[in-house]
Amino acid sequence: NAGVMQNPRHLVRRRGQEARLRCSPVKGHSHVYWYRQLPEEGLKFMVYLQKENIIDESGMPKERFSAEFPKEGPSILRIQQVVRGDSAAYFCASSLQGMNTEAFFGQGTRLTVV
Amino acid sequence: EDKVVQSPLSLVVHEGDTVTLNCSYEVTNFRSLLWYKQEKKAPTFLFMLTSSGIEKKSGRLSSILDKKELFSILNITATQTGDSAIYLCAASNTGANSKLTFGKGITLSVRP
Repeated sequence: NAGVMQNPRHLVRRRGQEARLRCSPVKGHSHVYWYRQLPEEGLKFMVYLQKENIIDESGMPKERFSAEFPKEGPSILRIQQVVRGDSAAYFCASSLQGMNTEAFFGQGTRLTVV
Repeated sequence: EDKVVQSPLSLVVHEGDTVTLNCSYEVTNFRSLLWYKQEKKAPTFLFMLTSSGIEKKSGRLSSILDKKELFSILNITATQTGDSAIYLCAASNTGANSKLTFGKGITLSVRP
């Protein structure tokens, strides 16, 4: 039973490039959440998706950030024209029936913008 | 805005000590309080608390929720160096858009 798989684990991008972060949820889970963790900060909610639908994107910046969870394949968090302030650890979590059931987290992707 | 506050922010103890980690919350339509342990990378689930006054235990760890005073504590007895980690508290809300609001975490260091 594979847990939540995120890749890459580490990603280095130059300012202005695009970053694509992938998350494969636990098999059978259709609820996916993305969180961002800055140094010495807690996990900040970004976006909540169910298969093919964005349920809540209230924590995601309106510009440059987008997320999808297609019918087939992993969820993708995409950051266009990255800036240094985007450097953070990005975590994905999945659950069976929303956040009132246990959510499993991936190992995270550490994005560094140089 | 929903808010979760943890204290202390960091703690250093010696093996064998007992520690109490605090978490208070202000969440609209609160449903559950969750504790996670974050060691290297992925937060791992410890407890989910939904009802007041019912202690949940797992080995040396226990936790309880007070929905009247809006807080939870996580106790660790007979601490070991392997307990060194960041302990995250999160609150979930009810509804279709349920999500977790996290505190900043408590960094626990257990010295031999």
